[in-house]
Amino acid sequence: KAGVTQTPRYLIKTRGQQVTLSCSPISGHRSVSWYQQTPGQGLQFLFEYFSETQRNKGNFPGRFSGRQFSNSRSEMNVSTLELGDSALYLCASSGGQGVGELFFGEGSRLTVL
Amino acid sequence: AQSVTQLGSHVSVSEGALVLLRCNYSSSVPPYLFWYVQYPNQGLQLLLKYTSAATLVKGINGFEAEFKKSETSFHLTKPSAHMSDAAEYFCAVTSSGSARQLTFGSGTQLTVLP
Repeated sequence: KAGVTQTPRYLIKTRGQQVTLSCSPISGHRSVSWYQQTPGQGLQFLFEYFSETQRNKGNFPGRFSGRQFSNSRSEMNVSTLELGDSALYLCASSGGQGVGELFFGEGSRLTVL
Repeated sequence: AQSVTQLGSHVSVSEGALVLLRCNYSSSVPPYLFWYVQYPNQGLQLLLKYTSAATLVKGINGFEAEFKKSETSFHLTKPSAHMSDAAEYFCAVTSSGSARQLTFGSGTQLTVLP
């Protein structure tokens, strides 16, 4: 069974640009969550999508947005990039029901210059 | 609100020695607790989870953790460390109402010395 796939793995942007990250969940999983990991703030929850609907949202500014498609693939977008947005962005999928484990991808490492 | 505190950002043990990674939680509702491991340049992998069944939880790779409500703790242990256990370990908490919105601790980097 293929795992969670995130693309791109690495990318470099400059301040003010925008970026789109993609996540393909495990086949059959309908929930996709996004987390930001930085040395200073650690792992922080961004948002969760289930069946194309945002179900939960963390405490991030509106520059951070996401969506989910009918095939459960998800994208997150960060607009007007700031230096502080440099981070590892992790996507996790799950079956979406109950309290189950999250299956994480390897992440997309974003560097903002 | 929920939170997790991991005591010790870095822990070193000798190969074959006991591994003990500490995690204390704060939650106003019955918590669900997790331990995840992260190897360099990889995502997180679930080691074990507590979801209000048995208080002693066994996970993968020989790890286990005990939920102690009176101490609000969920420490991770392994009787004998192996070199391959070197990684960063994260404790996380959530509740049934937001099962995939995990609050993570700051992590503990485990070094295993030969």
